[in-house]
This record gives sequence, structure tokens and C-alpha cells, in this order.
Amino acid sequence: DAGVIQSPRHEVTEMGQEVTLRCKPISGHNSLFWYRQTMMRGLELLIYFNNNVPIDDSGMPEDRFSAKMPNASFSTLKIQPSEPRDSAVYFCASSQIDRGSTEAFFGQGTRLTVV
Amino acid sequence: AQSVSQHNHHVILSEAASLELGCNYSYGGTVNLFWYVQYPGQHLQLLLKYFSGDPLVKGIKGFEAEFIKSKFSFNLRKPSVQWSDTAEYFCAVSGGSYIPTFGRGTSLIVHP
Repeated sequence: DAGVIQSPRHEVTEMGQEVTLRCKPISGHNSLFWYRQTMMRGLELLIYFNNNVPIDDSGMPEDRFSAKMPNASFSTLKIQPSEPRDSAVYFCASSQIDRGSTEAFFGQGTRLTVV
Repeated sequence: AQSVSQHNHHVILSEAASLELGCNYSYGGTVNLFWYVQYPGQHLQLLLKYFSGDPLVKGIKGFEAEFIKSKFSFNLRKPSVQWSDTAEYFCAVSGGSYIPTFGRGTSLIVHP
């Protein structure tokens, strides 16, 4: 398996524009996480899907952020409109949640810069 | 709610020195514990994990960690670090929700 695949790797956009980040989890994994990493706040969980259903979105900063998982092999994180404070590295991770195994596998991340 | 505290934010060592990074967690039930490493510009990779059984866990690249339930700790150790161990190290815990919660990370710099 190629692992968790994220695209794009880098994104530079102007304030106010819509940004869409994409993630392909590892085949067979039933859980998907979106994390945001910044110097100030470290790694923050934004949202957690299990079997394509959003289970915990309490970490989504505000209504400008939305995430979808239309099927088991694809998820998006959308920011609309984007703001400079959204600049961060966004990681997608997946895991197979079952008894005794909760290891998360991370993608390479998307470095977002909003100017 | 679960939480993780990493005591050392920055650690600087010389090659061959011994390493111990502290990690304490807060959660009342059964936990899974992890240490991840993030090399500069890269994604997080699993170093080792504890689910059950022997509280002394051995991982890749000579790292090990010990789960001490009474202290809610899961410290990471390596007897002799190398320059290539320069990276950010994250402790994580997952409880009943199976959602990994990460600590703030410890930046390790190893001088050759």
C-alpha cells in the first residue's frame, strides 16, 4: 500500500479564497483523522471520521472549515474563505480501529500558506 | 477527556549521550500509548506503541519506552543517540474513543 496520500503538498493562496485539501486513506482503514500542526498550538485534531461518518468535529475551528468523506477512499477538508491565521501544515491520518489496535498512519501533509 | 503532557520542549545532546523524554497522560481507563517521530519536513512516523502486556516496549532505531501505570507515564529512552535522531518527538494517547491525542512535542537536536 502507498500509505496515506495527501494533495497538494504545498498550497499558497490569497486571503478570502477557497482552499480544498484532499486525502486518500490506506485501503481497508475505517477511521480517518484531520490534524492541523502549528508552532503555537502543536498538533490539533480537527475532525474524526469512522466508517465515513463524522464522529467528532469539535476541533473544527469555525464555520469556515468543513470536511467530507463521501466514500471510504477519499476525504476533503475545505476552508472558505481562507485567512492568514489558517496557515499551517494539515495532516490526514488513517487507522483500522479494532480491538487492540489504534495506530494512526500519517500522510505527508499539506503546507498551507494564506497571504 | 484525555490529555498528554511532554515536559521537555527542547533537548540538545551530543552524539552517544543517553536520551530520556518525559511523557505523562491523563485518562482514567485503559489506554493505548504511542511515540511518533517527525524528521524535518516530513510526516509523523510511529516509533513504538503500547497496547498491553510487557510495559517495556522496544521500537525501531534502538528506542524503547516504559509504561508506568501508577505514574501515568510513558517515557521514551535511547541509550546512545546519533546525529540522525535529530527530530521532533511526539507522545500520544488514545483511550476509549480511539482518537489519538498528541502532546506538544519535544524538539531533539543531536550535535555530531
